Amino acid sequence: EIVMTQSPATLSVSPGERVTLSCRASQSIGGNLVWYQHKPGQAPRLLIYGASTRATGIPARFSGSGSGTEFTLTISSLQSEDFAVYYCQQYSSWWTFGQGTKVEIK
Amino acid sequence: QVQLQESGPGLVKPSETLSLTCSVSGGSIDNYYWSWIRQPPGKGLEWIGYIYYNGIINYNPSLKSRVTISLDTSKNQFSLKLNSVTAADTAVYYCARKLSGWFDAWGRGTLVTVSS
Repeated sequence: EIVMTQSPATLSVSPGERVTLSCRASQSIGGNLVWYQHKPGQAPRLLIYGASTRATGIPARFSGSGSGTEFTLTISSLQSEDFAVYYCQQYSSWWTFGQGTKVEIK
Repeated sequence: QVQLQESGPGLVKPSETLSLTCSVSGGSIDNYYWSWIRQPPGKGLEWIGYIYYNGIINYNPSLKSRVTISLDTSKNQFSLKLNSVTAADTAVYYCARKLSGWFDAWGRGTLVTVSS
């Protein structure tokens, strides 16, 4: 099983700041990586697939990069609605998720 | 825009069968893969399995012996059954639509607690 490890577990950020979240795969997954945003009581929301392609309707402030085992989600200027938990997921071999990074208000 | 909603008992006794249904609205079940995913309290997300509209099924090997996913196209619903549950099966259960390798639409999730 491919294990996905996200860091940090929690990130305290002020609105307007640039945010970088990391996701590491236990073996190479090429570009087969997805990012989701999840707010309490809501359905998880697809942000990025194929490591760097924004899903429909996702603002340009969200960007994804990386390949192989190291991936990054960047939020260029954090908005109030962006405080949430972010998960990465690989689809190179079956489907496994990271533990999530909580982005909270500083 | 497609919407998914999970329904089913929130409490199941140990050794019994957990049964959930996902109702799909705003779109047809046809031509898509439909999945179940769960998240135990304080833990990460775990893919349970999927069913294709034509009946093709794939389960997580770790749960395969206990899981059944089925489809009711006439009702635009799909279902999950997990038998012989234990406290370790306590989780928020999500239904989701799988598009290629990712899940592009999710329900809000439903908490199922396994307890006597």
